[in-house]
Amino acid sequence: AQRVTQPEKLLSVFKGAPVELKCNYSYSGSPELFWYVQYSRQRLQLLLRHISRESIKGFTADLNKGETSFHLKKPFAQEEDSAMYYCALRANTGNQFYFGTGTSLTVIP
Amino acid sequence: GAGVSQSPRYKVAKRGQDVALRCDPISGHVSLFWYQQALGQGPEFLTYFQNEAQLDKSGLPSDRFFAERPEGSVSTLKIQRTQQEDSAVYLCASSFYEASGASSYEQYFGPGTRLTVT
Repeated sequence: AQRVTQPEKLLSVFKGAPVELKCNYSYSGSPELFWYVQYSRQRLQLLLRHISRESIKGFTADLNKGETSFHLKKPFAQEEDSAMYYCALRANTGNQFYFGTGTSLTVIP
Repeated sequence: GAGVSQSPRYKVAKRGQDVALRCDPISGHVSLFWYQQALGQGPEFLTYFQNEAQLDKSGLPSDRFFAERPEGSVSTLKIQRTQQEDSAVYLCASSFYEASGASSYEQYFGPGTRLTVT
């Protein structure tokens, strides 16, 4: 069963425009949600996690348990934000992570 | 310090051959994960080690897949009698903490090994 859904494979926005990358999940219990990013020719790295309630590189994500969503947002996109973004869920067992299929973000100058 | 390293970075195997993929985690990291990432997909969990113990292998797709971490550091993922559907990028990730810990933690990913089965 698909646990993490990222409905957009590709997303293009203009520089300075707001950006929202959607993530919905399906899981009973209290999962942890993460966003990972992969810049061109770099390895996958953690961007942010819901439990920290932090803002990294201007990105924020709020866990909405009612809508089972964890959308990633940034008010003003920058060219350096162009990358592949993966939403991930950590299961209650702790050691299993489920990733979405990813959204490729392109910020147009 | 050095991050997670994987070797080889690229591997081409003929169908039916056995392959071995190596992962060197960050020194001192307790947890080690293997993932399979098919083209256009996100990483899919294969297996998890806590030190030398393989605590979860539920994601291994068949008994042709075998992973080990005998001394709690370097890990090897072996695929026997490779099939075309095994073609993917194999990612290794490590973490300082045990996965069962209540607090959140960060996984550090390696660059991956791209396996192509012809």
